[in-house]
Amino acid sequence: KAGVTQTPRYLIKTRGQQVTLSCSPISGHRSVSWYQQTPGQGLQFLFEYFSETQRNKGNFPGRFSGRQFSNSRSEMNVSTLELGDSALYLCASSLEEFSPSQYFGPGTRLTVL
Amino acid sequence: AQSVTQLGSHVSVSEGALVLLRCNYSSSVPPYLFWYVQYPNQGLQLLLKYTSAATLVKGINGFEAEFKKSETSFHLTKPSAHMSDAAEYFCAVRIPTGFQKLVFGTGTRLLVSP
Repeated sequence: KAGVTQTPRYLIKTRGQQVTLSCSPISGHRSVSWYQQTPGQGLQFLFEYFSETQRNKGNFPGRFSGRQFSNSRSEMNVSTLELGDSALYLCASSLEEFSPSQYFGPGTRLTVL
Repeated sequence: AQSVTQLGSHVSVSEGALVLLRCNYSSSVPPYLFWYVQYPNQGLQLLLKYTSAATLVKGINGFEAEFKKSETSFHLTKPSAHMSDAAEYFCAVRIPTGFQKLVFGTGTRLLVSP
């Protein structure tokens, strides 16, 4: 079974631009979570989606948003990019809302210049 | 709120030596606990998980961890380190109800010397 896939793997943007990252969960998984990883803040939870609805949200500004489609694929969007948004963005999928394990994709490395 | 503390940002061992990575947690309810490994330029790979069954949990690549409620610990061990074990390891906790986020520790970089 294929793992979690994320596209693109690498992205370079400039301040003020917006960006959309994509995540395809493991086949049959219905829950998708997003995390931001930076050297300074470590791994921080962004949000979780299940059945096309955001179920949980971390402490990030409204510039960070996401959505989930009926096939469980998810996108996250960051508008008005800031230098501090440079990070590895990781997507994780799990089977159901109560499934204990989350399986991570390889991440999208976003660099904001 | 739940939290995780990983003691030691870097741990160095020789190949063949015991690996011990420390993790202590704080949680208001019995938690789920996880260890993930991250190799350079890659995502996180689940090594093992504790979900309130057996307290000694065996994972992939010869790793295991023991849940000790009295010590609020979930330390990761491997009897004999291999060069390929060099990576960053993250301990994580979550509350076992729906839609609860993973809370990660700050990570421990394992260095393995020949």
